[in-house]
Amino acid sequence: DQQVKQNSPSLSVQEGRISILNCDYTNSMFDYFLWYKKYPAEGPTFLISISSIKDKNEDGRFTVFLNKSAKHLSLHIVPSQPGDSAVYFCAASGQTSYDKVIFGPGTSLSVIP
Amino acid sequence: DTEVTQTPKHLVMGMTNKKSLKCEQHMGHRAMYWYKQKAKKPPELMFVYSYEKLSINESVPSRFSPECPNSSLLNLHLHALQPEDSALYLCASSQDRGAWGYTFGSGTRLTVV
Repeated sequence: DQQVKQNSPSLSVQEGRISILNCDYTNSMFDYFLWYKKYPAEGPTFLISISSIKDKNEDGRFTVFLNKSAKHLSLHIVPSQPGDSAVYFCAASGQTSYDKVIFGPGTSLSVIP
Repeated sequence: DTEVTQTPKHLVMGMTNKKSLKCEQHMGHRAMYWYKQKAKKPPELMFVYSYEKLSINESVPSRFSPECPNSSLLNLHLHALQPEDSALYLCASSQDRGAWGYTFGSGTRLTVV
């Protein structure tokens, strides 16, 4: 039973365009959401997070949007760069156990020069 | 030092062997984690240590035995593993329990033969 879903296993985007990675969750107790980026042969790297009291958080080229009623969040990368090519994991944690960060299956992003 | 260092990077072991994975951080983080990641799957939480005490064990088989000798070190002792335990084992740390934005190590690629 996947609590965090990323329904697109892969995504290809032209350099300079917007990349939109989507994530859905089922557990209404989640109240903190994170995005991690992972290159091959490396551990995941924390990218950006958002708390459920917000609907948007921005950090440079990266913006995360949260729609609590739809249990949906998205990561926007603008403009996309070839170095952004990686696997992106959506993750969530909740009030019952903040230690238990649940990861989604990941979306592999390819940014084409 | 802003890294989590894991050794070894690769490990091949037989089903009767005993081996240990090591993880080290010098960021003063007080929470440390072991995750297991199979190919094309998200990282799955195994253990959480907080202030050198085991706080979460996600029903992991006893052939995996964690140890936290001090605040900078985390070990995972392996004994009588099965081929299906082959995976990438990731260590992570965070400032405290409930502090998201973990710092992950690069992982140990374990193969059980």
